[in-house]
Amino acid sequence: NAGVMQNPRHLVRRRGQEARLRCSPMKGHSHVYWYRQLPEEGLKFMVYLQKENIIDESGMPKERFSAEFPKEGPSILRIQQVVRGDSAAYFCASSPGLAGVMVGEQYFGPGTRLTVT
Amino acid sequence: KNEVEQSPQNLTAQEGEFITINCSYSVGISALHWLQQHPGGGIVSLFMLSSGKKKHGRLIATINIQEKHSSLHITASHPRDSAVYICAVSSYNNNDMRFGAGTRLTVKP
Repeated sequence: NAGVMQNPRHLVRRRGQEARLRCSPMKGHSHVYWYRQLPEEGLKFMVYLQKENIIDESGMPKERFSAEFPKEGPSILRIQQVVRGDSAAYFCASSPGLAGVMVGEQYFGPGTRLTVT
Repeated sequence: KNEVEQSPQNLTAQEGEFITINCSYSVGISALHWLQQHPGGGIVSLFMLSSGKKKHGRLIATINIQEKHSSLHITASHPRDSAVYICAVSSYNNNDMRFGAGTRLTVKP
């Protein structure tokens, strides 16, 4: 059973370009979470999605950032017009959902390290 | 003030020492997590607990709900335990995690 997969693992973008980060949850998982870790800082929650629904995006910047989790395919975190301050590690986690599992159980992907030059 | 506070920020130990990392939180939680992040950045979930104590190998995690405090202990520490240990909490209202700043542990041979 493959774990949570993220790609690319490393992404370099110039200021003003778009960054697309992908997360494939564990098989059978329908809940996805995105977290950001700025250099020398702790992890911060960004957004929580279920298939085709954004449940909580309270941690996501209002501008330039968007996330989706379509019925088919991976979850995408999209950052438009990247700036140097977007350079960070972006982690995705997945969980099976609330029913039948302990609330809070999440499995992390390896992260995508975004560098904006 | 952060919702989740960890101490110490940095910890250096000699191989074999007993290590304790502390975590205090200020919100109602449904679960508390201890995570490990190695150099290179991958995150591994060590424990998820909502009461009492859990043990896995040389690692022990305890939580006191009344005092809103948790500890992670490592017995007979080893250089391969060197990593950042992160405390995180899940609240009742949602399923996301809120994180402490992490404790950077270095175990010297």
